[in-house]
Amino acid sequence: GIQVEQSPPDLILQEGANSTLRCNFSDSVNNLQWFHQNPWGQLINLFYIPSGTKQNGRLSATTVATERYSLLYISSSQTTDSGVYFCAVVTREAAGNKLTFGGGTRVLVKP
Amino acid sequence: KAGVTQTPRYLIKTRGQQVTLSCSPISGHRSVSWYQQTPGQGLQFLFEYFSETQRNKGNFPGRFSGRQFSNSRSEMNVSTLELGDSALYLCASSKGQGGTGTEAFFGQGTRLTVV
Repeated sequence: GIQVEQSPPDLILQEGANSTLRCNFSDSVNNLQWFHQNPWGQLINLFYIPSGTKQNGRLSATTVATERYSLLYISSSQTTDSGVYFCAVVTREAAGNKLTFGGGTRVLVKP
Repeated sequence: KAGVTQTPRYLIKTRGQQVTLSCSPISGHRSVSWYQQTPGQGLQFLFEYFSETQRNKGNFPGRFSGRQFSNSRSEMNVSTLELGDSALYLCASSKGQGGTGTEAFFGQGTRLTVV
């Protein structure tokens, strides 16, 4: 099956710093999503981004599907940005859709 | 509009017992998928239901089963619980068709502890 790798696995930032998280995937995908997992475990949707670039406040994402990677940018980080960030790719298997997740990047923003 | 609702939020069960988890998707969404999250294995796909039919299944033993009702609500059942089944179980809802219909929205999860 498809492989999804995220880097770095851990990231420690000083409040106000910028950072880039990377997601590589091994095969063609239908779509790609970025999530932030909050301390209670819920996955919060950040971006649905099969290709191109999107921005939402201090966060932006770029997916280059032909080169099989996506980037998540966090600018002017805040302590509330702490948590685990996951990318997940959508593949069509059998008659249905399936999300395959990367291992996540654990981000800690220090005040 | 209301998000994805999972119940219960927390469960403690004994080895050998069975458990049923529930998921109510976003109104209008016909696809419900289930995922298991553990520290060792990360987030793994269990199965997907669309219009009451299982469309896709992950690599889990037959002790894990599910179903979907005509109102799109879904239940997941785990029989003969093992310690290794302790995990956060997440449910995702989507419209189910291609393109933007594959965008998934997750519930808050059910944290299952098997003792």
